[in-house]
Order: sequence, then structure tokens, then C-alpha cells
Amino acid sequence: LAKTTQPISMDSYEGQEVNITCSHNNIATNDYITWYQQFPSQGPRFIIQGYKTKVTNEVASLFIPADRKSSTLSLPRVSLSDTAVYYCLVGAANQAGTALIFGKGTTLSVSS
Amino acid sequence: GAVVSQHPSWVICKSGTSVKIECRSLDFQATTMFWYRQFPKQSLMLMATSNEGSKATYEQGVEKDKFLINHASLTLSTLTVTSAHPEDSSFYICSAEDGNSPLHFGNGTRLTVT
Repeated sequence: LAKTTQPISMDSYEGQEVNITCSHNNIATNDYITWYQQFPSQGPRFIIQGYKTKVTNEVASLFIPADRKSSTLSLPRVSLSDTAVYYCLVGAANQAGTALIFGKGTTLSVSS
Repeated sequence: GAVVSQHPSWVICKSGTSVKIECRSLDFQATTMFWYRQFPKQSLMLMATSNEGSKATYEQGVEKDKFLINHASLTLSTLTVTSAHPEDSSFYICSAEDGNSPLHFGNGTRLTVT
């Protein structure tokens, strides 16, 4: 499984756009990139998943360059409630029996 | 969307007793469920992979006789912490997958062993 590297922590203010970049130099051809959000004492919550280029949903965008060795999670106009740990994971998507291996994650702190 | 329910959300037990944690997939059948453990300020660590109707596969360093996993149906997996000790106090999280969507996680169980 490809190893991921993310910043340990980031700080932001309400209303700003936050971009969290994840490095995954050894990503395999059939690997997808998935981001999860975790609040204290809760299970991780799925945010977004992509394979290449750009993916957007109602909460975030995911930018993946052509070489797929990195990816950037973009959170538009963050609020205090976006303070959480964000995990970037790489692995074969939606493949039966495939667990997700978590890295250290990025702790995002949003201030007013 | 797929919902994974975990019960209880927290439990306190005395050292030497056993505790059972349930993980249910509410609106889908999960052929595979995964159990994770998370210590304070740390990331999730995969403990074991549970397949319906077969023995669980444990990660290196996880004692299978201490952490008993049963996956008797396509919607229920249980983790039993046997003879719990204070060092077993942790946040236990399950996840389930149906092979067609990203992994969905339960809300975790906070175990405190006194």
C-alpha cells in the first residue's frame, strides 16, 4: 500500500479556503485517493474520492495532477465546525476485502 | 447512504472482565468488516479484517485470543475484548464495505478499563 505524507497541522480562519496537500509517490495504477474527516471521539467520515484530475462534491474538491504522486483537498470557506483531523488514504477503491491504512493525518484548526 | 452502527458508544469495565462491541451495517450487507483501534492523539490502527462466515485475519502484533472477532452474518460483526486490562483502554472503531462504495465507519466505542 502506498504511503502518504501530509502536514501534521494547519491553521486557518473562518471564511478562508484551505488546501491540504498529500504526497503519495508510490501510488499504484489501480489506487484511488480518498479523504476522510474525523472529529474527536467519532469515527472517520468520508469526504471525497478520486482517481485523476479534479473531483468536486458539495463539501470539497480534490485536485490530482497527471502523475498522481500528490493530491490536494480543497475546503472552500471553512467554518469553525471544520476543525478536525483530515486523513488522505491511497488504495484500491471499492475492492472487496481491502482495508484502508491510515497515516498520521492533518489537524486543521479554524479560528474566528 | 450506507450507515454503520456501533454499540455501545462507550463502556467502562473492571480489569479482568470481558467486553463485547457490536458493529452493524444498517442498510447494506457487508461481506467484510474491519476493526481499528485509536489511542489518544494517534491515528487509526488496523487490528483485524473480518469476513462473514470465516475466521478473522489479524494484523501483526494483535492477539487473536484477546480480541475475539465474530462475523456471523452479513450485517453484524462483534469484537470481544477478553480479560481486559487498563492498557486495552482505547477508542475502537469498526468499518464495513460492500465492495461498491468507499469504506463507511461506525462512530466508535470508547473503552475504559479500570
